[in-house]
Amino acid sequence: DAKTTQPTSMDCAEGRAANLPCNHSTISGNEYVYWYRQIHSQGPQYIIHGLKNNETNEMASLIITEDRKSSTLILPHATLRDTAVYYCIVRSRNTGNQFYFGTGTSLTVIP
Amino acid sequence: EAGVAQSPRYKIIEKRQSVAFWCNPISGHATLYWYQQILGQGPKLLIQFQNNGVVDDSQLPKDRFSAERLKGVDSTLKIQPAKLEDSAVYLCASSPGQVEVKAFFGQGTRLTVV
Repeated sequence: DAKTTQPTSMDCAEGRAANLPCNHSTISGNEYVYWYRQIHSQGPQYIIHGLKNNETNEMASLIITEDRKSSTLILPHATLRDTAVYYCIVRSRNTGNQFYFGTGTSLTVIP
Repeated sequence: EAGVAQSPRYKIIEKRQSVAFWCNPISGHATLYWYQQILGQGPKLLIQFQNNGVVDDSQLPKDRFSAERLKGVDSTLKIQPAKLEDSAVYLCASSPGQVEVKAFFGQGTRLTVV
């Protein structure tokens, strides 16, 4: 079962940073936070993941709070192609390492 | 690198008919997942394989759904007989293993049951 809470939808102006929050207050020490996104009619696409340190790659940055109860995905310069549903997932070895998806945040990038 | 391949992309069947979906994971990936995504919802895990063994099939409706992964590579998911509520996108994903790794998803098969 999904163990994360995300806003249902968000808007962001093109060229601005998109900050997508996720609450995972029941996360345990061996659980990772993953972010995926799903563009219409496509399969989910991996963005980034982390355990407790902040992470950055070519797509985005992941900021995890010190208590690990929440995180923020940052798309530094949103483009129209970033319009998608973004899923925050907590993944645990204890549940066989499945990816449990919630309903995600529908991000709309506005021209 | 080649991605996860799924076929067919689209399928329309009548209720009570049978249907099968095929998945070819990324070469060398030991873990394979099947998900069901109903319109407006996030993907729901149906079954997870590790090589050719089942790790978790607790959410697979076993009275009508079956899945196999022969020789630990390709996998098929079958529905027999289909119901209207089975209309969904069926996604296959694979990952190199079970530890801290990312999963790669295919494009999915959109099933419409009429």
